[in-house]
Amino acid sequence: ILNVEQSPQSLHVQEGDSTNFTCSFPSSNFYALHWYRWETAKSPEALFVMTLNGDEKKKGRISATLNTKEGYSYLYIKGSQPEDSATYLCAPYSGGGADGLTFGKGTHLIIQP
Amino acid sequence: GAVVSQHPSRVICKSGTSVKIECRSLDFQATTMFWYRQFPKQSLMLMATSNEGSKATYEQGVEKDKFLINHASLTLSTLTVTSAHPEDSSFYICSARDPPRETQYFGPGTRLLVL
Repeated sequence: ILNVEQSPQSLHVQEGDSTNFTCSFPSSNFYALHWYRWETAKSPEALFVMTLNGDEKKKGRISATLNTKEGYSYLYIKGSQPEDSATYLCAPYSGGGADGLTFGKGTHLIIQP
Repeated sequence: GAVVSQHPSRVICKSGTSVKIECRSLDFQATTMFWYRQFPKQSLMLMATSNEGSKATYEQGVEKDKFLINHASLTLSTLTVTSAHPEDSSFYICSARDPPRETQYFGPGTRLLVL
């Protein structure tokens, strides 16, 4: 079982401010890292799948970076909006086939108007 | 994007009864689906991998006779919690992998309360 740590556990951010949080995972046997956004009463929404060291991906105001050598990924949100309020989950993936994901506990983000 | 539905969204049952939860991929075929469980303030934990046309693979500590999984078609997997007890009360969520992509698409989850 992979040890996945996400920090902080929760975060209050003023609307318009930018923020970031961290996912730490074992650097050995790395295959990919998934980021999901999970809003209350909805399905977790896939944000990024990252595979290469140094990778940076962007989706609108959200971006993520990956360091596989040291075992961490950052998720950044620029100019936070109330609709960004959600729990953000990361899940490193060490399999190459039909393996399930090992999730962190998530970072619960609340954007305050 | 790919859509996964899950039914029911919420169920309350008496101790000793069985509960069936359905997971469907609506616009793609999934040879592999996954079942997760989340207890309060914990992370999503993989319970089992559901393979179309073959037996499910269970994670360590998950009783296969208690959590029956059937993946009879490429769009449907079911999880049956047999003889449910209050300690089975949890949030159950499924996902389906859309080949050849790496992403897993999740259903909205089922909250089970066993009285």
